[in-house]
Amino acid sequence: QVHLVESGGGVVQPGGSLRLSCAASGFTFSTYGMHWVRQAPGQGLEWLTFIWYDGSTKFYAGSVKGRFTISRDNSKNTLYLQMNSLRPEDTAVYYCVKAGPNWNDVWNAFDIWGQGTMVTVSS
Amino acid sequence: QSALTQPPSASGSPGQSVTISCTGSSSDVGGYNYVSWYQQHPGKAPKLMIYEVNKRPSGVPDRFSGSKSGNTASLTVSGLQAEDEGDYYCSSYAGSNKGVFGGGTKLTVL
Repeated sequence: QVHLVESGGGVVQPGGSLRLSCAASGFTFSTYGMHWVRQAPGQGLEWLTFIWYDGSTKFYAGSVKGRFTISRDNSKNTLYLQMNSLRPEDTAVYYCVKAGPNWNDVWNAFDIWGQGTMVTVSS
Repeated sequence: QSALTQPPSASGSPGQSVTISCTGSSSDVGGYNYVSWYQQHPGKAPKLMIYEVNKRPSGVPDRFSGSKSGNTASLTVSGLQAEDEGDYYCSSYAGSNKGVFGGGTKLTVL
């Protein structure tokens, strides 16, 4: 069974940093691209960033480019999101999402979602 | 990228059909067949319902169907059931290696 489990969320002050992790299981993690998507409280979904299966290519939304960095460790089946210079408007649930349904897909579907981890940026 | 436009709410009685629209532009919805739809129940993660405009993942009932005309995509839920109630989001590739979601539609089963 495909499973994604995020961790690392919490409360951080404006200007601070946080690193989120996403542990993957039930599929060959090293052959699929991965996204991060967030959802502010009571709001809609926002795509943030994507990383190719081998980490060679990364895409970012303008709202996080230069502040957030996506990475992966295929030996540990884990996806990461390093978040720096955090702002109150970054407060949201952050979801780790598998790209699919096929190994070389990027935008075809956000086909498996983790349960999300909450990040609160507040002083 | 501006969010895709969805109606804030939609409703229907059990057994009826309801259609939710998702309007973008020629730079996103109209330019690519990478439109997908997600169902979200309160406090839960989104679930993929439709991808590549009109394809259903295994396990999704065939009551759910998708289509696209020009810059507008649509999700139709036929034979509404109580468990279909929730929030629905569309998504599209927006070019330049970016993705975009709609603002979401709250579906109520009366």
